Amino acid sequence: AQSVTQPDIHITVSEGASLELRCNYSYGATPYLFWYVQSPGQGLQLLLKYFSGDTLVQGIKGFEAEFKRSQSSFNLRKPSVHWSDAAEYFCAVGAAGGSTLGRLYFGRGTQLTVWP
Amino acid sequence: DTAVSQTPKYLVTQMGNDKSIKCEQNLGHDTMYWYKQDSKKFLKIMFSYNNKELIINETVPNRFSPKSPDKAHLNLHINSLELGDSAVYFCASSPRTRGNEQFFGPGTRLTVL
Repeated sequence: AQSVTQPDIHITVSEGASLELRCNYSYGATPYLFWYVQSPGQGLQLLLKYFSGDTLVQGIKGFEAEFKRSQSSFNLRKPSVHWSDAAEYFCAVGAAGGSTLGRLYFGRGTQLTVWP
Repeated sequence: DTAVSQTPKYLVTQMGNDKSIKCEQNLGHDTMYWYKQDSKKFLKIMFSYNNKELIINETVPNRFSPKSPDKAHLNLHINSLELGDSAVYFCASSPRTRGNEQFFGPGTRLTVL
């Protein structure tokens, strides 16, 4: 069964520090992987996605993520965090076929707090 | 603007009432979804429609009934509201093809008193 685990419920970093948010997935085929960000009171916005090819993908707002098949991971990184990055971050894996084509399975989210 | 829109943004009501939330997308997508986000931010899929046909129907009380008059609209009607229905409800849409991301609406915060 498909599942996504985000081990860190809450992470706090100082502004300007580097960031890594962890995501592990369970999926029986080639996964389609996504990172979304939810700012307070807002809907979810796509940061980046991985389908195939280069395992390091670049996204918006200076974020990147690396797909590691051997570790079933898709960790999100940013070299220098800004105060405006404080938000909830969701990792998701997409169903690739069958009756649930297009469905996303979300992790429980990681809340990022940024200290000035 | 191309987007997924939801109305209302906030909904406060009494237990036992019936309410509806509307969703519209002008992205030309075939598939629309309803999610419930609880107080711990957990996103749970409720329903999905593809070209007005129900394709995902999770374990949701039958007090919740989705309706899709056309592929650009997906409404959610809730009967006999309960305290536990308080949550943020998100609508999303996507093309129903492999790997395409979902586009989310701004959410409707439902509070049942």
